[in-house]
Amino acid sequence: GENVEQHPSTLSVQEGDSAVIKCTYSDSASNYFPWYKQELGKRPQLIIDIRSNVGEKKDQRIAVTLNKTAKHFSLHITETQPEDSAVYFCAARFPSNDYKLSFGAGTTVTVRA
Amino acid sequence: DVKVTQSSRYLVKRTGEKVFLECVQDMDHENMFWYRQDPGLGLRLIYFSYDVKMKEKGDIPEGYSVSREKKERFSLILESASTNQTSMYLCASRGVVTDTQYFGPGTRLTVL
Repeated sequence: GENVEQHPSTLSVQEGDSAVIKCTYSDSASNYFPWYKQELGKRPQLIIDIRSNVGEKKDQRIAVTLNKTAKHFSLHITETQPEDSAVYFCAARFPSNDYKLSFGAGTTVTVRA
Repeated sequence: DVKVTQSSRYLVKRTGEKVFLECVQDMDHENMFWYRQDPGLGLRLIYFSYDVKMKEKGDIPEGYSVSREKKERFSLILESASTNQTSMYLCASRGVVTDTQYFGPGTRLTVL
């Protein structure tokens, strides 16, 4: 099936440290991998995405890496700040359907001051 | 700015009631989606619509139906609400020139 597994489910980091969330996907032909951030009580919002023809993408303190051989991609947040506390979802688009995204179960990130 | 709105933030219904959840987007997006969000399960796709009057089942369509009579509006219908449909329901839309899905604020539905 079209599966995305996300780890860890919770992550607590000291302010200023880095946070890494990893996702694995089931279909090697998947071509699009977005990350969404959902702050408490708010709607999920796209923070970064990567396509299968790129190995890494950065946007200020966040970066995403993709390893197509191993079928996994990761979100890296450097110099974490309290406003990074949120639930993060990874997702993948599978070739069977161009409209759908399959989401991971989410990672609750808590940044300790 | 893309705006996706949902008819209610909170809703309480009784078992067996017919429930309508509505979603409206103002960006002329072709694709619209309904998800439910449960702790530890992430976002699971119920139904989606790639254009007006078109619909396709997602991963968990049982107990739900949808309607898309106009491009900007996508409705989720619970024909006979059950307690296991208590959840957060999120609507999203996407245009064909972008991969980004834009989410609504969510409706927290409680079925008693």
